[in-house]
Amino acid sequence: DQQVKQNSPSLSVQEGRISILNCDYTNSMFDYFLWYKKYPAEGPTFLISISSIKDKNEDGRFTVFLNKSAKHLSLHIVPSQPGDSAVYFCAASYRFSSGSARQLTFGSGTQLTVLP
Amino acid sequence: NAGVTQTPKFRVLKTGQSMTLLCAQDMNHEYMYWYRQDPGMGLRLIHYSVGEGTTAKGEVPDGYNVSRLKKQNFLLGLESAAPSQTSVYFCATQLVGGPIEQYFGPGTRLTVT
Repeated sequence: DQQVKQNSPSLSVQEGRISILNCDYTNSMFDYFLWYKKYPAEGPTFLISISSIKDKNEDGRFTVFLNKSAKHLSLHIVPSQPGDSAVYFCAASYRFSSGSARQLTFGSGTQLTVLP
Repeated sequence: NAGVTQTPKFRVLKTGQSMTLLCAQDMNHEYMYWYRQDPGMGLRLIHYSVGEGTTAKGEVPDGYNVSRLKKQNFLLGLESAAPSQTSVYFCATQLVGGPIEQYFGPGTRLTVT
């Protein structure tokens, strides 16, 4: 049973327009949500996160929105640039029973292509 | 600073062979994690470690063993490789009490024939 779902395997957007990537989750225990970006043959790179007590977090061109009642989050990239073309993973986090080590549960990813 | 490095980058094994994947970090992070990524799926946690000498199972631990003899190194072992273990393996680290994000290495692509 997938606890974190990214239902769109791919998304194409024109350069300069907004990219919106979506993610749904089922487990109410998650207390943080993260977005990672991944280029081919590289490891995932952290992009932005949001606490479950917030509904929006912004960092430059990247904004993450969280709707707890709908168990839905989205990543907005404005304006989109060709260098943003990558696979974007949504991840949900909760703390293991002791200490601050965390379980990250990933979605299956969305391939974003930004067309020049 | 190299960050998180993984050795080797690629490997092909025959069924039944064994191997060890090495993750090394110079970030002085306490927590280390091993994930696998399969096509069309997200990363799944295999094992993790909260410090030198300690390890714990993650979501998909069967067929793997790990060791953390030194703080900077986290080893993932396959004692008897199976084709189902064909995957890309990623190591990650996290700072105790710091930001919640994990920092990933570049990955090891393993093929078991």
